[in-house]
Amino acid sequence: VLTQSPGTLSLSPGERATLSCRASHGVSSSFLAWYQQTPGQAPRLVIHGASTRATGIPDRFSGSGSGTDFTLTISRLEPEDFAVYYCQQYATSRFTFGPGTKVEIK
Amino acid sequence: QVTLKESGPVLGRPTETLTLTCTVSGFSLSNPRMGVGWIRRPPGKALEWLAHIFSNDEKSYSTSLKSRLTISKDTSKSQVVLSMTNMDPVDTGTYYCARLLRGIGYYYFDCWGQGTPVTVSS
Repeated sequence: VLTQSPGTLSLSPGERATLSCRASHGVSSSFLAWYQQTPGQAPRLVIHGASTRATGIPDRFSGSGSGTDFTLTISRLEPEDFAVYYCQQYATSRFTFGPGTKVEIK
Repeated sequence: QVTLKESGPVLGRPTETLTLTCTVSGFSLSNPRMGVGWIRRPPGKALEWLAHIFSNDEKSYSTSLKSRLTISKDTSKSQVVLSMTNMDPVDTGTYYCARLLRGIGYYYFDCWGQGTPVTVSS
């Protein structure tokens, strides 16, 4: 099971966003990913391997963590970053998504 | 350019079987490092992984839905098909297919289709 906190993060453009993902059991960092989803759009891969940015993802996005605690950080929010973010793990041939964190404009 | 496109009925009736097709381009379903997965998002809820399949026909299903799901592929047509039996209104949502990359030390969905909405109602 993955839990994400906070459920909603209200911030202004230019501010720093810190999103948390916690696993009930240890997760291999290799198998931890983050996705971004804006309304009406398909999810987009942001981070894989806990800390590797996907192709085309700007460097204001960074991922970190190991074991059971992982973090997605957006250093300075741009208008297009306001979205829902999901963490995802892969284990025993199955995928699990977290409940998501909504980053909204304050 | 990698693209995935979902197709299938927009409306389903309770107890019926839903069949969704994912047509891919820009990569081959015979590539051993690539597979296709299905993920859904019910209205107001989180993403939920359903199933995935690889070139060697290796398949995996959500534990909670395993008895209702069947995933298959037609490599020559570049299509992956997901069937879900005994549909219920709680199965309403947007269904996505996505390319799954795997290798030593990594599994993730790197490209997604636009999604297809499914409503289950009598």
